[in-house]
Amino acid sequence: GIQVEQSPPDLILQEGANSTLRCNFSDSVNNLQWFHQNPWGQLINLFYIPSGTKQNGRLSATTVATERYSLLYISSSQTTDSGVYFCAVPETINDYKLSFGAGTTVTVRA
Amino acid sequence: DAMVIQNPRYQVTQFGKPVTLSCSQTLNHNVMYWYQQKSSQAPKLLFHYYDKDFNNEADTPDNFQSRRPNTSFCFLDIRSPGLGDAAMYLCATSKGALNEKLFFGSGTQLSVL
Repeated sequence: GIQVEQSPPDLILQEGANSTLRCNFSDSVNNLQWFHQNPWGQLINLFYIPSGTKQNGRLSATTVATERYSLLYISSSQTTDSGVYFCAVPETINDYKLSFGAGTTVTVRA
Repeated sequence: DAMVIQNPRYQVTQFGKPVTLSCSQTLNHNVMYWYQQKSSQAPKLLFHYYDKDFNNEADTPDNFQSRRPNTSFCFLDIRSPGLGDAAMYLCATSKGALNEKLFFGSGTQLSVL
């Protein structure tokens, strides 16, 4: 199946700092999703981004499908940005199954 | 607001005692999923329904079953919970196949004593 790798595994930020999370995938995909799991376990869909760049407030994401990677940018980080960020792409042979990366754990300190 | 709702937020059961987790959605999506997530891991797909068409993942234990009586509701039944089944169980929906966004509920944290 398709392999998804996220980096870095852990990230500690001071409030107000900017950061970039990376997601690499091993095969061609027709879409990619970024999720944020907050400390209470809720998974929020941040972006559905098969290609190009999208912005949502202080967050933005860019997917370069031809080079098989996606980036998630967090600007002016806040303590509420803490949690685990997952990227996920559809499995090659299963239209209903996402292959998730292992996640990046972000801790934003006040 | 349209959403995916899971109840209860926390569920405690005894070893071997059947337990049912519930999920409802107001998004009117065709597909409903159940995921299992253990600590520090990514969610793992157990099965999904497209309307009433049930699709089990090959590595989902027989101990796990599901029911979808109508478009809005889906249930996860664990027939004989073991200690290894303690996990967060996440319900999710999508309009169609995963060329659409996936929306998760807030999850049910299951403890097995």
